[in-house]
Amino acid sequence: EPEVTQTPSHQVTQMGQEVILRCVPISNHLYFYWYRQILGQKVEFLVSFYNNEISEKSEIFDDQFSVERPDGSNFTLKIRSTKLEDSAMYFCASIVSGNTGELFFGEGSRLTVL
Amino acid sequence: GESVGLHLPTLSVQEGDNSIINCAYSNSASDYFIWYKQESGKGPQFIIDIRSNMDKRQGQRVTVLLNKTVKHLSLQIAATQPGDSAVYFCAEGSSGTYKYIFGTGTRLKVLA
Repeated sequence: EPEVTQTPSHQVTQMGQEVILRCVPISNHLYFYWYRQILGQKVEFLVSFYNNEISEKSEIFDDQFSVERPDGSNFTLKIRSTKLEDSAMYFCASIVSGNTGELFFGEGSRLTVL
Repeated sequence: GESVGLHLPTLSVQEGDNSIINCAYSNSASDYFIWYKQESGKGPQFIIDIRSNMDKRQGQRVTVLLNKTVKHLSLQIAATQPGDSAVYFCAEGSSGTYKYIFGTGTRLKVLA
């Protein structure tokens, strides 16, 4: 069964450092997403991406965040200068079409900022 | 460090009983709803979805009910099994947007 894969599974970084989280969405999917989940809290939307540009972003997705699809398979989330409050699970997700249908999630990347 | 998490509502049911998990959604313009299951340390997993032109949809052992009048969604799980223990989230979406908004979540504990 096709799946969304994410790397790394866990990253520990110092405050102020740059982090890149990587995702390989399902191959025939066209829309890609990043969500985050702070420990014990709900899953929060960060950004959606289609046709090599951001479709929508939340207020959480400020200037320190960026996304990129550098090639035909990878989808990355970059946090330029990490803060303690960026510690969370970051989930990548993809979907065939845009606004309805099953959103497939990866297993997540746990980011710990010290 | 990480924030202290919110206290999730918890539903405890005996194995074999039926479970009902409720969700209030916020946006009256939402026209698509999904239930996700999240096991510890894993990503959300799709269970069932429903569009706003329906008020009920059934899957294997699961039923979703939608009441648009009061903006309420419920997930019924028949004959609950230990493997159903997880956190359950509802999510809402609407035509013309490209995001699903998740609710707070309910922890389901199945007692043997």
